[in-house]
Amino acid sequence: EVQMVESGGRLVQPGGSLRLSCAASGFTVSSNFMSWVRKAPGKGLEWVSVIYSDGSTYYADSVKDRFTVSRDHAENTLYLQMNSLRGEDTAMYYCARGTGVSSSRYDSWGQGTLVTVSS
Amino acid sequence: SYVLTQPPSMSVAPGQTARITCAGNNVGGRTVHWYQQKPGQAPVLVVYDDSDRPSGIPERFSGSNSGNTATLTVTRVEAGDEGEYYCQVWENSWDHPVFGGGTKLTVL
Repeated sequence: EVQMVESGGRLVQPGGSLRLSCAASGFTVSSNFMSWVRKAPGKGLEWVSVIYSDGSTYYADSVKDRFTVSRDHAENTLYLQMNSLRGEDTAMYYCARGTGVSSSRYDSWGQGTLVTVSS
Repeated sequence: SYVLTQPPSMSVAPGQTARITCAGNNVGGRTVHWYQQKPGQAPVLVVYDDSDRPSGIPERFSGSNSGNTATLTVTRVEAGDEGEYYCQVWENSWDHPVFGGGTKLTVL
């Protein structure tokens, strides 16, 4: 059974850092493309980052140069390093497994981890 | 970048049909996927490739896509269908997904 469990979210002050983790089971993280997607209070889903099986990464403009996505094959875990956090980064963060080549989509999602940025 | 527009909310009585739209410039030339997110839960893929259903998704959920509008249709709506629904396409030029703003479905 495919399962993903996020962790690492908490209350952090503006300018602070956090590292989110997404522990996967039932599939190999490095064999799929994986994303972080967030949902801020009262807002819709917002794509944050993607890492492909070849290791290439892409980021939303809103987080570029502040967030870094990575993975550990041995741990089968996806990470999101978040630096210089701002109030607008407050959101539930989900990891999602991607599938499809010409019509990419997300077929499995974790339950999310809550990040709150506030003084 | 590409924009998908959804109505913020809609209401439907139990047993009736809900049609949730997703508008975008020539969206019919792209492939659309739909997600359902119930309060406090993770999103779930309910329709992919415009009109296919993942295993475990009831036949009551169906999709279509043509011209400038994609549509998710939920027939015989139940109370358990309440939640937010998002459409999504993939922006190949920039290698990332684009989500619609979401539609909150309320079952009266």
